[in-house]
Amino acid sequence: GAVVSQHPSRVICKSGTSVKIECRSLDFQATTMFWYRQFPKQSLMLMATSNEGSKATYEQGVEKDKFLINHASLTLSTLTVTSAHPEDSSFYICSAGPRGVPGKYEQYFGPGTRLTVT
Amino acid sequence: GDSVTQMEGPVTLSEEAFLTINCTYTATGYPSLFWYVQYPGEGLQLLLKATKADDKGSNKGFEATYRKETTSFHLEKGSVQVSDSAVYFCAQRDRDDKIIFGKGTRLHILP
Repeated sequence: GAVVSQHPSRVICKSGTSVKIECRSLDFQATTMFWYRQFPKQSLMLMATSNEGSKATYEQGVEKDKFLINHASLTLSTLTVTSAHPEDSSFYICSAGPRGVPGKYEQYFGPGTRLTVT
Repeated sequence: GDSVTQMEGPVTLSEEAFLTINCTYTATGYPSLFWYVQYPGEGLQLLLKATKADDKGSNKGFEATYRKETTSFHLEKGSVQVSDSAVYFCAQRDRDDKIIFGKGTRLHILP
């Protein structure tokens, strides 16, 4: 089946630094990828929709200058948390679906990246 | 806006008990409905889905039926196992292909 990977699986960074998280579709091309944030014992909150070759679409309340998303190819999207602060510590999850008619494909989820900002 | 509401957890059951996790949704159209499962330390996995009214999704002994009249998609399993212990998320996919999740229900199965 379709596989989505994320790297790194865990990262610890100091407050004020930036960290990049990669999301890759390993065996299919993904026109669209989604980035979610999951707080402990809570649901996933959609942060943004990443579109290959164009700007990401951010959900209301998500700072686009803080969470930079780049979808440079059909198999790779990156999320960069800039000037990270302890409140950015969270579990970040991406999902991707194969190319095709929107709404007619499955979304596959990556294993997530645990970010801890000290 | 569109939303998903599912029963609060945690739910604790003995092995071989019957499981129901309630889920209702609000949507302007007729969304596709999903149940995802997150095992400890792992990512989300699609458990089952239904794309139209009266469809029944099933997998690994779990079932859920898309009920348009009650806007529900309750998850059921006749006999749970310890290995079913996980967090279960009910979700819908909206017109923009965004997936909207419920808050999740943590399930503990005791041997």
